[in-house]
Amino acid sequence: KQEVTQIPAALSVPEGENLVLNCSFTDSAIYNLQWFRQDPGKGLTSLLLIQSSQREQTSGRLNASLDKSSGRSTLYIAASQPGDSATYLCAVRGNNDMRFGAGTRLTVKP
Amino acid sequence: DTEVTQTPKHLVMGMTNKKSLKCEQHMGHRAMYWYKQKAKKPPELMFVYSYEKLSINESVPSRFSPECPNSSLLNLHLHALQPEDSALYLCASSLPGASDLYGYTFGSGTRLTVV
Repeated sequence: KQEVTQIPAALSVPEGENLVLNCSFTDSAIYNLQWFRQDPGKGLTSLLLIQSSQREQTSGRLNASLDKSSGRSTLYIAASQPGDSATYLCAVRGNNDMRFGAGTRLTVKP
Repeated sequence: DTEVTQTPKHLVMGMTNKKSLKCEQHMGHRAMYWYKQKAKKPPELMFVYSYEKLSINESVPSRFSPECPNSSLLNLHLHALQPEDSALYLCASSLPGASDLYGYTFGSGTRLTVV
């Protein structure tokens, strides 16, 4: 069964810093990997989707990479802002379902 | 339409009540999912429907009963729930398996409280 791990569990940074969130998974037979953002008590907002054949995807200040063979992905956030404060979830898509990591709770201090 | 709509947004029910959660999408997705999320935990998969057929049931208690009446609708019928079933229930949809080029789309969830 796929296991997804996210490090760190929580992160607090001052505004303007660049930061990296890490995700690892145990089974490399995946279709894609998706990064989500979740604000407290809300649903999940998709940030970036990387197909298994791709190495990275970029959207604005966000860049996600994927190394399928080693079972790793990173989410890079440039020039962090207080509005980036949220929980970031990594999810790995297999044939029938998607499995989530426990998330990284990010706080960006003004 | 690129949304998954869930109703109601909030639900409070007693342990003897019967209620239903509803999920709707019009993106042509043929796979739909129910997830349960407790506070400060990741979403946990409950059910998967693929082409309106139940393909995965993650050993969910029978007091939760899913239904997929058509390709756009997914229901979750609730009966005799326990207080520990209080959680955020999330619905998602996607294209199935290897056809999935766009990932999952999630609804905003139903916040369920069992009293």
